[in-house]
Amino acid sequence: EVQLVESGGGLVQPGRSLRLSCAASGFTFHNYAMHWVRQAPGKGLEWVSGINWNGVSIGYADSVKGRFTISRDNAKNSLYLQMNSLRAEDTALYYCAKDWAQGNHLDSWGHGTLVTVSS
Amino acid sequence: EIVMTQSPATLSVSPGERATLSCRASQSVSSNLAWYQQKPGQAPRLLIYGATNRATGIPARFSGSGSGTEFTLSISSLQSEDFAVYYCQQYNKWPSLTFGGGTKVELK
Repeated sequence: EVQLVESGGGLVQPGRSLRLSCAASGFTFHNYAMHWVRQAPGKGLEWVSGINWNGVSIGYADSVKGRFTISRDNAKNSLYLQMNSLRAEDTALYYCAKDWAQGNHLDSWGHGTLVTVSS
Repeated sequence: EIVMTQSPATLSVSPGERATLSCRASQSVSSNLAWYQQKPGQAPRLLIYGATNRATGIPARFSGSGSGTEFTLSISSLQSEDFAVYYCQQYNKWPSLTFGGGTKVELK
C-alpha cells in the first residue's frame, strides 16, 4: 500500500523559511515523479512544484518560483520542499502526491502538513 | 500557463439524479486530463485519468468524456457519498500541472 507522510509544517513569520518533508513507502520511489500541491483554507487545489524521478526535470508554479526549491533523496525515499521568503499567501495545507509515472495524473496523496505564515 | 475553468461552481442535485460537471482548458491538453474528488477534511482522490479512464476502485456511475479543451465528468445516479468537491487537472505540459477551481456538488 502506498503511503505518503508529510511533516515539517508549522507557524512561521513572514520572510522566514521552512522545509517540508514527505516520507514515501509501499512503492519503488525512484521510479516515479513526485509533486507538492497546496490548498489554502477554504480554497481550491494549487499545484506548487514537481520533480521527475532523478531530479533533473523540475517545475514550479509562478507563485513560488525563485522562493521554493523541490528536491528528492531516492536513497531515503523522501521528497522535500524548501520554502524561503514565506508570505501570508503561502498559508495552506501542503500535500505530497505521487505521479502515476513521469508527468501524469496524481494517483496517491498524503494527508498534508499545515503551513501558517503569520506574525 | 494552461488555465482550467470549471463550471458550475456549485451544483445542487438530489440523490439518484444525474450530475454533469464541466471543465474547459485554455488550450488543447489532448486527453491529458484527470478528475479528483475531495471530501471535507480529506485528501483528494483520483477518479478519472486520461479523460475517460476510471481509477482503481471507482464505481461505474462515474464517467469522463472529452478531449482537447472541453471535458465532462458525469455521475449517473448520485449517492449520498458523492456529495463533495470535484477538481479537474491537466498534465499535458510536464513539469507544469494546473487544477481547475472546483465544482461543489451539494444536496438539493
